[in-house]
Amino acid sequence: QSVLTQPPSVSGAPGQRVTISCTGSSSSIGAGYDVHWYQHLPGTAPKLLIYGNNNRPSGVPDRFSASKSDTSASLAITGLQADDEADYYCQSYDGSLRAYVFGSGTEVTVL
Amino acid sequence: EVQMVESGGGLVQPGGSLRLSCVVSEFTFSSYWVSWVRQAPGKGLEWVANIKQDASEKNYLDSVKGRFTISRDNAKNSLYLQMNSLRAEDTAVYYCTRVDCSSTSCYFDNWDQGALVTVSS
Repeated sequence: QSVLTQPPSVSGAPGQRVTISCTGSSSSIGAGYDVHWYQHLPGTAPKLLIYGNNNRPSGVPDRFSASKSDTSASLAITGLQADDEADYYCQSYDGSLRAYVFGSGTEVTVL
Repeated sequence: EVQMVESGGGLVQPGGSLRLSCVVSEFTFSSYWVSWVRQAPGKGLEWVANIKQDASEKNYLDSVKGRFTISRDNAKNSLYLQMNSLRAEDTAVYYCTRVDCSSTSCYFDNWDQGALVTVSS
């Protein structure tokens, strides 16, 4: 059971906006630890999408944005494209577990 | 471009041992923390262990403490994971990752393609 909770799936039509929530606790996101996001196509290496709550690594399009508030965070994808179909994971740190923790993962489907 | 190439995955019986290796290039290996992250079949990502630049600090997921050992050889640009007393629940794709940090927590900014470890009789 993951420490960070995400919806199992979200979907949207091409061009639409979808959001993925990531809910933590007072010992993880609520304790002030930054949240990071990854895109993962099965069978490939996961890719860092967002770091430090809302920063995009070089090469990541600005269609991807993220925010953090209290004990949760969210990732938004605007202008949804077919190649955005993937699994998306949030990640942070849990001070009680003293471990890096991931969300349960969200599968994005482009209709 | 950062390169990370892993080897050593395979099939092992419960209670057995396996050693994963990861050779990196195109960045100064000795300047970074590095880590292992795994994904069990049909499950999400799970951090396993990490190691400081000079190997003076190592951290482990509770469920692998005492069974897994992370190590590195900066002269060979290599990261290792020695896995002993393997259990069926250790079956996963294991990824070698580079670690970077924001103001309050660290993240995994480069990943290799992963190696499958299957624990089964």
